Amino acid sequence: KAGVTQTPRYLIKTRGQQVTLSCSPISGHRSVSWYQQTPGQGLQFLFEYFSETQRNKGNFPGRFSGRQFSNSRSEMNVSTLELGDSALYLCASSSQGRGGEKLFFGSGTQLSVL
Amino acid sequence: GENVEQHPSTLSVQEGDSAVIKCTYSDSASNYFPWYKQELGKRPQLIIDIRSNVGEKKDQRIAVTLNKTAKHFSLHITETQPEDSAVYFCAASMGYGQNFVFGPGTRLSVLP
Repeated sequence: KAGVTQTPRYLIKTRGQQVTLSCSPISGHRSVSWYQQTPGQGLQFLFEYFSETQRNKGNFPGRFSGRQFSNSRSEMNVSTLELGDSALYLCASSSQGRGGEKLFFGSGTQLSVL
Repeated sequence: GENVEQHPSTLSVQEGDSAVIKCTYSDSASNYFPWYKQELGKRPQLIIDIRSNVGEKKDQRIAVTLNKTAKHFSLHITETQPEDSAVYFCAASMGYGQNFVFGPGTRLSVLP
């Protein structure tokens, strides 16, 4: 099976712009979650989608949003970019999204905001 | 909400020695505790996990222990090898959905 695929791999944007990141989960996986990774902060949970519904949400401002399509692919959008949004954005998929399931991470999208 | 602390932030050991990383969590409702390893430039990968109804779990050179009363869990790596060099993240989850709270990570360096 192909692993979790994230596109694009790298992005450079300027403050005030918006950006959309894409994540294709492992085939058959229904849960997709998103994390922001910054040096020293570890992985911060953004949100989780299951069957096209947002099931959990972390403590991020409303500028961060997402969605999931019927084929389980997910997109994350960040509007009005700020310098502090520069980070590695990781998505992870799991089979049923039940507690205690293994997360399979993608390679991430490295976002730089200038 | 849940808060996970992790110590130490960096750890250097000689090849063949043991390494121990400790995490504490705040919410007693958390019941699942995975450990992820992230090598430089790569994605995090699950190496071991433990559920709240188990006190210890071992997989070859890696073991995890859980103390629910004290709300802490630890990763033990024995006979360390250079390929163990990576950043290790602990996490806690209350078991509903995939909402994990991660610790800030420990950078382990195994010196030859």
